[in-house]
Amino acid sequence: RKEVEQDPGPFNVPEGATVAFNCTYSNSASQSFFWYRQDCRKEPKLLMSVYSSGNEDGRFTAQLNRASQYISLLIRDSKLSDSATYLCVVNRDDKIIFGKGTRLHILP
Amino acid sequence: SQTIHQWPATLVQPVGSPLSLECTVEGTSNPNLYWYRQAAGRGLQLLFYSVGIGQISSEVPQNLSASRPQDRQFILSSKKLLLSDSGFYLCAWSVGTQDTQYFGPGTRLTVL
Repeated sequence: RKEVEQDPGPFNVPEGATVAFNCTYSNSASQSFFWYRQDCRKEPKLLMSVYSSGNEDGRFTAQLNRASQYISLLIRDSKLSDSATYLCVVNRDDKIIFGKGTRLHILP
Repeated sequence: SQTIHQWPATLVQPVGSPLSLECTVEGTSNPNLYWYRQAAGRGLQLLFYSVGIGQISSEVPQNLSASRPQDRQFILSSKKLLLSDSGFYLCAWSVGTQDTQYFGPGTRLTVL
């Protein structure tokens, strides 16, 4: 089993819809979690950290479920500019592991 | 504020030629530095990381090497490139090993 797994997609979602991604991790000792966004042919950029209590930043909500070992990202009222690949990142024992990403296409 | 630079932005090299990619960070001291490769359609692969000058940890054995001659400079090298070395090379920095990583703009390398 891979240490960090994501559905590669693509998720094709109409503009204005709500979309959610999950990311599962295999090691229960994982300590910190992040979501990054990567546009085509560009570097990944931090979208948000994921805290145990869950956190929200505008239209984006991230949650952590330690019991089931997954993190989620919810995007409300999706915009065309949300089209990108979303990378899940898990940090354990000073080792940072990137998921392969979920591709999102927002359709006009 | 902190910034991270990488150059060149794109590079086309023949098989067997040497490689040197440079990454520099401004606005911070003693950062952790990382080299990643992203092959077409694949995820990020950590190649090397460094917690200080002259300290390099290799994650994947291959024909690449890294050096950190100065606090905020990280160099990725190869003596002889292979076709399989083609990819998008990203440098990143962080304050600590548990902290957010910030990426440079990357170098797109094509080996022919």
